[in-house]
Amino acid sequence: GEDVEQSLFLSVREGDSSVINCTYTDSSSTYLYWYKQEPGAGLQLLTYIFSNMDMKQDQRLTVLLNKKDKHLSLRIADTQTGDSAIYFCAEYWGTGRRALTFGSGTRLQVQP
Amino acid sequence: GAVVSQHPSWVICKSGTSVKIECRSLDFQATTMFWYRQFPKQSLMLMATSNEGSKATYEQGVEKDKFLINHASLTLSTLTVTSAHPEDSSFYICSAPGGSNTEAFFGQGTRLTVV
Repeated sequence: GEDVEQSLFLSVREGDSSVINCTYTDSSSTYLYWYKQEPGAGLQLLTYIFSNMDMKQDQRLTVLLNKKDKHLSLRIADTQTGDSAIYFCAEYWGTGRRALTFGSGTRLQVQP
Repeated sequence: GAVVSQHPSWVICKSGTSVKIECRSLDFQATTMFWYRQFPKQSLMLMATSNEGSKATYEQGVEKDKFLINHASLTLSTLTVTSAHPEDSSFYICSAPGGSNTEAFFGQGTRLTVV
């Protein structure tokens, strides 16, 4: 079965880079996503990467995918206090249902 | 971009009553919608897949008689929590897949508190 794991908490200082890590078990994952959730709110898609890619950059966000190790990371450059939230990685394993399997979420705290 | 609207955003109800949560796709049709549940400080867990014009598919361990799902049109799915109990208090989120495989659009979520 599928399983997605993340570290629970990350604290960084404003202006530093943040790196949030995620590991997954299903090698047939087709798409891997990063979502942001602010307190009491729904999910906001930040970025995604196809499983045949190694890296994707989108402004301050860089996604790295290591398929061999089934490891996904999200780097946020120049982290701001507004980036404080919970970040979920999620995988879609291509069964056709298009429901996502979410990681446990990483709470990012940005210190001024 | 595509928008999924979920209503209400929060609700407080008494034990034993039923609560209906609506999920609408505003500018696209969704033959499939997904309902997730999120406990405090935990991840989202898929509860069920809502299929337009047919029965919903429930994940293992989810009581279909307690969580009634109706997908009567291409833009609306509803989740009814029947005979709610305090342990049903949670954050419920719906989503609908976009036209490609690259994105799922999420509702704002509904925070249910059963007292």
